[in-house]
Amino acid sequence: QKEVEQDPGPLSVPEGAIVSLNCTYSNSAFQYFMWYRQYSRKGPELLMYTYSSGNKEDGRFTAQVDKSSKYISLFIRDSQPSDSATYLCAMSANSGYALNFGKGTSLLVTP
Amino acid sequence: NAGVTQTPKFQVLKTGQSMTLQCAQDMNHNSMYWYRQDPGMGLRLIYYSASEGTTDKGEVPNGYNVSRLNKREFSLRLESAAPSQTSVYFCASSGPLAQFFGPGTRLTVL
Repeated sequence: QKEVEQDPGPLSVPEGAIVSLNCTYSNSAFQYFMWYRQYSRKGPELLMYTYSSGNKEDGRFTAQVDKSSKYISLFIRDSQPSDSATYLCAMSANSGYALNFGKGTSLLVTP
Repeated sequence: NAGVTQTPKFQVLKTGQSMTLQCAQDMNHNSMYWYRQDPGMGLRLIYYSASEGTTDKGEVPNGYNVSRLNKREFSLRLESAAPSQTSVYFCASSGPLAQFFGPGTRLTVL
């Protein structure tokens, strides 16, 4: 069993919808959580960074971490066609250490 | 401030040929990483370097070697390329908060 599980999708939503992306993990030592966005044929781009449990909001994006359930989420409000990409969750036990990645969820936002 | 740069962007090799992928970062980060990304497999760590002068194996190191030339540069070498090494290769560096990725190298081994 991989340490980080992520549904690969694809997930297709209409423009303006609220999108929920999720990952589960098995290692209780993880305390640094990240979401990356990867456009086709590009490198992953850091979207959100969260330490330990709780919520973090940045514009249309909200990251949630529930360490008791070993579950993290990324919410995208008012989704736009430009949000169409693959979203990767990543996490580590210590800052600056190698990350454990989910396989990514492919999102398509249709006009 | 270019972040993480990689060369080349594309490469086609024949089985048995060798090549070196170059990576450089200008963020003064201590840690650098090499990943490969394959369809359905996600990002897999090949090697990493926690600081200048040190390197460690990741999840899939077989067939690869690395050199941490200085704090800025971390290269990945394929000594004898195999078709199974056809992939997209990403270099990354990390500071205290998160990892930052380069644009990738698309490698095809025929």
